[in-house]
Amino acid sequence: AQKVTQAQTEISVVEKEDVTLDCVYETRDTTYYLFWYKQPPSGELVFLIRRNSFDEQNEISGRYSWNFQKSTSSFNFTITASQVVDSAVYFCALINGGSQGNLIFGKGTKLSVKP
Amino acid sequence: DGGITQSPKYLFRKEGQNVTLSCEQNLNHDAMYWYRQDPGQGLRLIYYSQIVNDFQKGDIAEGYSVSREKKESFPLTVTSAQKNPTAFYLCASSIRGWYGLAGSTDTQYFGPGTRLTVL
Repeated sequence: AQKVTQAQTEISVVEKEDVTLDCVYETRDTTYYLFWYKQPPSGELVFLIRRNSFDEQNEISGRYSWNFQKSTSSFNFTITASQVVDSAVYFCALINGGSQGNLIFGKGTKLSVKP
Repeated sequence: DGGITQSPKYLFRKEGQNVTLSCEQNLNHDAMYWYRQDPGQGLRLIYYSQIVNDFQKGDIAEGYSVSREKKESFPLTVTSAQKNPTAFYLCASSIRGWYGLAGSTDTQYFGPGTRLTVL
């Protein structure tokens, strides 16, 4: 069975603070794909990153970074020097290799960045 | 501009009525999807389609129907059989809809969503 857990329901920070959003996943497959999406108040999901299970290299994109650790089944997302525009709900999602498209989503973490 | 459009943005329905949500994409993607989002919840898959004239049920297909007569279009009908249809509906598309065992670049891109309220 596949499962994605985002234990943090809501996080509130002050602008310029760093914040890490946790994602823990469960799967029995050795090939799988992990995703992060951002959902601003407008509602549309915005794709942020895709990671394959056989590529554990961490990634940095501007103020965003992702830490993928197979040993702990985690794919955490860090925003450095947060900004008010980062306020949104962030979703982590998983799909097994050999699958046709049923992304398994976590319940999301609502991030509020206050000025 | 390339992208996914959904209409209407807001939709109100009386109990017992069927309604159809529109989803169009001009990204030349083969695969299209419908998800449902309830407050405080993640997204759940209703239906998906990898090619024209073919579609598969997702986890919560009961009370919904779809068609895929054109590559660009994947309308979703919420029927009166759906017990609790009030929700936010998101359409997505991806290049092939297949995540291989030796690597895949497939990614689902989402439309702006339709918020359905049953009165």
